[in-house]
Amino acid sequence: EVQLVQSGAEVKKPGESLKISCKGSGYSFTSYWIGWVRQMPGKGLEWMGIIYPGDSDTRYSPSFQGQVTISADKSISTAYLQWSSLKASDTAMYYCVRRGGIDYWGQGTLVTVSS
Amino acid sequence: NFMLTQPHSVSESPGKTVTISCTRSSGSIASNYVQWYQQRPGSSPTTVIYEDNQRPSGVPDRFSGSIDSSSNSASLTISGLKTEDEADYYCQSYDSSNHWVFGGGTKLTVL
Repeated sequence: EVQLVQSGAEVKKPGESLKISCKGSGYSFTSYWIGWVRQMPGKGLEWMGIIYPGDSDTRYSPSFQGQVTISADKSISTAYLQWSSLKASDTAMYYCVRRGGIDYWGQGTLVTVSS
Repeated sequence: NFMLTQPHSVSESPGKTVTISCTRSSGSIASNYVQWYQQRPGSSPTTVIYEDNQRPSGVPDRFSGSIDSSSNSASLTISGLKTEDEADYYCQSYDSSNHWVFGGGTKLTVL
């Protein structure tokens, strides 16, 4: 069974750094792209970027280029999304998604940024 | 890049059929697969249609997807509506650089 399990909710202050994770199981982790999607409170889905863990080829949405970093560690079947300096406007639910035929979604990680 | 436009909301009665449209602003709707996701309140999205018209196992055959090149749009049709179908539905496709594009989402109310 394909599963994507994300790290738990985070509460951070503006200016702090953060790295959230997404662990894949039940499939060949290096053979499928994994994307990250933001959903701000009460809003729709926004694509942030995507990574191919097999060779770490990474693409970013222009809206998020330079704002976040996407990476993956294939030795532990885990993808990451990180911020170097959070803003209050980064408060949102973040989902990882395995792309390929059927897209499988993680359960989401709620990030709250507040002073 | 292109945009995918969906109606903000639709409503229909239980047992009826509803169709949600997803119109591509530029380029052919047929050039890249379209997916449809269902998101119930408080839950993560799940795939109900992939590759234009394929249904994952476990998704009822009341759900179907299609594309129409004449209107450059994709459609999600749900027949025999049930109250459990009440959710937000998003269409999604890709561009030539493997960038994802989401529609704005449609709130389906079953009343």
